[in-house]
Amino acid sequence: GESVGLHLPTLSVQEGDNSIINCAYSNSASDYFIWYKQESGKGPQFIIDIRSNMDKRQGQRVTVLLNKTVKHLSLQIAATQPGDSAVYFCAENTGANSKLTFGKGITLSVRP
Amino acid sequence: GAVVSQHPSWVICKSGTSVKIECRSLDFQATTMFWYRQFPKQSLMLMATSNEGSKATYEQGVEKDKFLINHASLTLSTLTVTSAHPEDSSFYICSAETGRASEAFFGQGTRLTVV
Repeated sequence: GESVGLHLPTLSVQEGDNSIINCAYSNSASDYFIWYKQESGKGPQFIIDIRSNMDKRQGQRVTVLLNKTVKHLSLQIAATQPGDSAVYFCAENTGANSKLTFGKGITLSVRP
Repeated sequence: GAVVSQHPSWVICKSGTSVKIECRSLDFQATTMFWYRQFPKQSLMLMATSNEGSKATYEQGVEKDKFLINHASLTLSTLTVTSAHPEDSSFYICSAETGRASEAFFGQGTRLTVV
């Protein structure tokens, strides 16, 4: 029979626009969160992280927002560029053993 | 950031043979390394946690006799896929923990194809 695989959701944005990628995490005990970018055929690349004692952290062109009340994490990319096209994963860590649990991932596609 | 190198970046092997993948932390010592598997268009799934000088800790459902992990030094962990089968074909990725507040860096991944 035909197999059905998982498909990552896709966010399509116009070059120059801002992108917002959302993630719902599962463990209320998680105290450390990371966003990774993965290009095709490569390993995940660290983008930005945030600890649970913060609700916002800014980097270069990126901002991570954390809402612990609803267990929601978002990544904002300002002035999105074609080079930002990739799959983005959020990851959470409970701090107990440093293991990361990855979210499902979202494909960001930047239209020229 | 810290550099983690994986070798090989891709490998094709015959069914029934074994394949070894190396993960090296190039500019830092890593007491803990992690091995993940990623199927196409899916997320990373943790297979095992590798601690230097001790036995690896495997996640539920991962066969420890099939996926042998050795972490003999602070800069090297190896994953050996024994008696590989086509269903083992996947993208294998390692990460190494720097020891600073759960920070971890990833290797570039190894694409394994079993024919």
